[in-house]
Amino acid sequence: NAGVTQTPKFQVLKTGQSMTLQCAQDMNHEYMSWYRQDPGMGLRLIHYSVGAGITDQGEVPNGYNVSRSTTEDFPLRLLSAAPSQTSVYFCASSRLAGAGNEQFFGPGTRLTVL
Amino acid sequence: AQSVTQLDSQVPVFEEAPVELRCNYSSSVSVYLFWYVQYPNQGLQLLLKYLSGSTLVKGINGFEAEFNKSQTSFHLRKPSVHISDTAEYFCAVSSVNTGFQKLVFGTGTRLLVSP
Repeated sequence: NAGVTQTPKFQVLKTGQSMTLQCAQDMNHEYMSWYRQDPGMGLRLIHYSVGAGITDQGEVPNGYNVSRSTTEDFPLRLLSAAPSQTSVYFCASSRLAGAGNEQFFGPGTRLTVL
Repeated sequence: AQSVTQLDSQVPVFEEAPVELRCNYSSSVSVYLFWYVQYPNQGLQLLLKYLSGSTLVKGINGFEAEFNKSQTSFHLRKPSVHISDTAEYFCAVSSVNTGFQKLVFGTGTRLLVSP
């Protein structure tokens, strides 16, 4: 199993550009989520999904869009990039049934917005 | 709403010394507690978790944590650290109110192990 994969690893954007961060998992997990990691702030939840066709907002959703058309994929779209979105982005997945399931994280995408 | 406080942003320690990384949480309902580790330029990996039962939880790589409900703490300990334990450690909480899968993370503690 590849686990959780993310592409690209690094990206530089100009203010106003749009892009999609890709996330895929091969563990048949129902739950998938996106976090951003900023120095001194830990990880903050952007959006999450409990299954195909179902998404919801997390703590910091503004400026981001998601969709979940398949169980495997959960892309994160930046609609109009801003310097405040410079961050490291992590995708995670877990089983939904039960409680306290381990979340498996991807290796991250480091995004810089100029 | 839940919140997690990791008071120490950085903890320097010598190899083979013991270490404790502190984590306090606030919640009005029962919680699940987690410690994740992030090695340089990698994603997060689960170290251990507390769901219920015994308050002393053992995890991977010789780490353990103790849940203290009265002090709302979940401190991480290791009796003897190695150079390879150098990493950032995150405490996280989830609860029935936030949906058990939704994690609230602390700001992280960087453990620096030197020879």
